[in-house]
Amino acid sequence: NAGVTQTPKFRVLKTGQSMTLLCAQDMNHEYMYWYRQDPGMGLRLIHYSVGEGTTAKGEVPDGYNVSRLKKQNFLLGLESAAPSQTSVYFCASSYQKGKLDETQYFGPGTRLLVL
Amino acid sequence: QKEVEQDPGPLSVPEGAIVSLNCTYSNSAFQYFMWYRQYSRKGPELLMYTYSSGNKEDGRFTAQVDKSSKYISLFIRDSQPSDSATYLCAAQNAGGTSYGKLTFGQGTILTVHP
Repeated sequence: NAGVTQTPKFRVLKTGQSMTLLCAQDMNHEYMYWYRQDPGMGLRLIHYSVGEGTTAKGEVPDGYNVSRLKKQNFLLGLESAAPSQTSVYFCASSYQKGKLDETQYFGPGTRLLVL
Repeated sequence: QKEVEQDPGPLSVPEGAIVSLNCTYSNSAFQYFMWYRQYSRKGPELLMYTYSSGNKEDGRFTAQVDKSSKYISLFIRDSQPSDSATYLCAAQNAGGTSYGKLTFGQGTILTVHP
């Protein structure tokens, strides 16, 4: 049981390049989330998904797109990277609301540097 | 104003000290409160989870919620160097959203030195 895994761990991009961050969970969770963490800002929700085939915007969605084609995977895409997207990205997953355990379980993070 | 405010510190204490970490929040709809611990270059992990007002104890850790003053606290007794980490408070609505949206504080960096 690996929990939540993220690839890659670290990436350097040039402004304007695109990339996809992959999140995978093996806990059969319905809900998945993408956060970014910046100094002094805490964790901010980018996009989330309440089930396979569904996605929704969070607090800071601009410049990002997501897809949830399979229940266990949640992809975060940057179409045209900007220096303001330099951050640490965390994926998380949880059971749906109403279940006894709604804890969000986090992955180890992806460090992204945009030059 | 952020819905959950947390003093980022840093906070440095000697081993064995009692540590008090605090957050305030502004949204009266918050019903669930959590503390996450994040070691350097790792993802956050849930430490404590409380519902509404009151205290909850787990070993050396005590979480306290005072809804009348919108104040959340985490106490660490007999602090150890292994407690050195960033501590994030988080709050969640009881309802009104179809997903478990968490609102995080900025995090407090704690160092416990031997």
